[in-house]
Amino acid sequence: EIVLTQSPGTLSLSPGERATLSCRASQSVNTVYLGWYQQRPGQAPTLLIYGASSRAAGIPDRFSGSGSGTDFTLTISRLEPEDFAVYFCQQYGSSPYTFGQGTKLEI
Amino acid sequence: QVQLQESGPGLVKPSETLSLSCSVSGDSISSYYWSWIRQAPGKGLEWIAYISSSGSPNYNPSLKSRVTTSLDTSRRQFSLRLNSLTAADTAVYFCARARGGRSYFDYWGQGTVVTVSS
Repeated sequence: EIVLTQSPGTLSLSPGERATLSCRASQSVNTVYLGWYQQRPGQAPTLLIYGASSRAAGIPDRFSGSGSGTDFTLTISRLEPEDFAVYFCQQYGSSPYTFGQGTKLEI
Repeated sequence: QVQLQESGPGLVKPSETLSLSCSVSGDSISSYYWSWIRQAPGKGLEWIAYISSSGSPNYNPSLKSRVTTSLDTSRRQFSLRLNSLTAADTAVYFCARARGGRSYFDYWGQGTVVTVSS
């Protein structure tokens, strides 16, 4: 099973700042199979990024993904108030499909 | 607009079996893979299982001995059964759609809260 470790656990920033979230895999993940999700309180996760760097439909371009191998990054260039939420990375190339434990982005 | 809606009991007793259904609207159920994912209180996400459009399942080994999933294309639903419940199975259960067996989840249900308690 591929273990995904996200850091930091909590990130405290202000609107307008840049956020950088990390996801490290216990073994190499093909970039095709790495995604990021946003989860607001009481809601289901929403797909942000797939294939490590492709934005899902309707996702603003302030969200970007990068990385390869075992190290992946989600960057939010200029934080908007609605961006404060929990973010999960996921690998879907090797069953069982696994998620990171999440990074909480707080104001 | 694709929509997924979970249904099932909110409270189940320990040792009993949980049965959940997910109704799909807005697109064909026959062209995708359909998963169950859960989230224990204050915890992360755990993929449970998927059922393919042809009815082939794939289970998380951590739950494989207790879980089954099925597909009913005529009713546009897929289902999850999880037996021998314990308090550790208390979670929000989500259903979700993927474009294949190795694909991201592009649509999710809103989730249904399941509490295991006597």
